[in-house]
Amino acid sequence: DTAVSQTPKYLVTQMGNDKSIKCEQNLGHDTMYWYKQDSKKFLKIMFSYNNKELIINETVPNRFSPKSPDKAHLNLHINSLELGDSAVYFCASSQGAGLGGQPQHFGDGTRLSIL
Amino acid sequence: AQTVTQSQPEMSVQEAETVTLSCTYDTSESNYYLFWYKQPPSRQMILVIRQEAYKQQNATENRFSVNFQKAAKSFSLKISDSQLGDTAMYFCAFGTPFGNEKLTFGTGTRLTIIP
Repeated sequence: DTAVSQTPKYLVTQMGNDKSIKCEQNLGHDTMYWYKQDSKKFLKIMFSYNNKELIINETVPNRFSPKSPDKAHLNLHINSLELGDSAVYFCASSQGAGLGGQPQHFGDGTRLSIL
Repeated sequence: AQTVTQSQPEMSVQEAETVTLSCTYDTSESNYYLFWYKQPPSRQMILVIRQEAYKQQNATENRFSVNFQKAAKSFSLKISDSQLGDTAMYFCAFGTPFGNEKLTFGTGTRLTIIP
């Protein structure tokens, strides 16, 4: 009965590779997010989608491409991985843009390590 | 743009004592939401408490309460009767309600409960 699930939990790969992280939520929410947590634990928004439409893109490099096939899924594809991409990536979801400060529910995170 | 500041990188307290974590923020918005999230060593992001800026009454959730001072732009978290399971990183977060919903996080406070 996991609410927001991300796969994989750990991802170790070489510089220059392309990888994807998948996220699914079963809460019936219509807004989903990707956050990046760096080595100093700082969390920063990357993207958000509402009903499959991109509504926030926080100056993330073009190598990062989110895709939302439906409102329950938001995947993150990363091309040409760089050392600086090493981080924990969190997916989150909430009910409704415009409903006023609904809490965001987070997945368990994906730790991406670039060798 | 909003900024969130947590001035205490680390804190420790004896079990059963009370501890207060500080958070200040800067915004030109009049309507917004504030959150405290907890991140234990398991890496999950868990919502602790939520406060609507338009409400003067401070939010409480069992042993957790906030002291919200809107004029001072201050939002501190008080944990009463602290327990070993409260050991975690605590993040203060700012949320805007409409149209551009995202969370802006502080840098976190690492709290250790000492047995």
